[in-house]
Amino acid sequence: KNEVEQSPQNLTAQEGEFITINCSYSVGISALHWLQQHPGGGIVSLFMLSSGKKKHGRLIATINIQEKHSSLHITASHPRDSAVYICAASLSSGSARQLTFGSGTQLTVLP
Amino acid sequence: NAGVTQTPKFQVLKTGQSMTLQCAQDMNHNSMYWYRQDPGMGLRLIYYSASEGTTDKGEVPNGYNVSRLNKREFSLRLESAAPSQTSVYFCATDGYGQVVSSTDTQYFGPGTRLTVL
Repeated sequence: KNEVEQSPQNLTAQEGEFITINCSYSVGISALHWLQQHPGGGIVSLFMLSSGKKKHGRLIATINIQEKHSSLHITASHPRDSAVYICAASLSSGSARQLTFGSGTQLTVLP
Repeated sequence: NAGVTQTPKFQVLKTGQSMTLQCAQDMNHNSMYWYRQDPGMGLRLIYYSASEGTTDKGEVPNGYNVSRLNKREFSLRLESAAPSQTSVYFCATDGYGQVVSSTDTQYFGPGTRLTVL
């Protein structure tokens, strides 16, 4: 069973700060997902990556396969970035994409 | 194009009652999933369906049954609800293995908040 660990559990930042959330996993995976859960509860997928780096707006996700580690960076953070950020490791079983989730990082960005 | 819809949004049950959570998607995806989310534990997979007519157990299937009614609909049934099943339930879908435009991620429904007294 894959274990997925996130750090920190809680993070408070001032608007404009550069933010990093870390994720490590214990066994080989086919992909690593980053998701955002809004205060209202809805979950949206931000990235799926299996190597290197992906960027979308102010969000950057990186993965190091050898070290079994991924990071999510937010540049020029804004209060609207306040949410829970969840990483999930994907083991493609052949019939479906089974995800093992971390417990999430609660991010609060203060104005 | 509604994506993934779930009903109901909220439900309160008494111990021993039964209910069915409904999920529907209009994304033409083969794969559908049911998760539960509990504080401090992250999302956990209950059951999944890789295609119409097939279902498989996930990490925490005990106390639940599922039905993949057709390609669009995947329901989760609690036959005899217990307080330990108090949770937020999410349905999700993806195009794993398909040649469709939205294969890269899972798409989640808005969730059902269930309380069992």
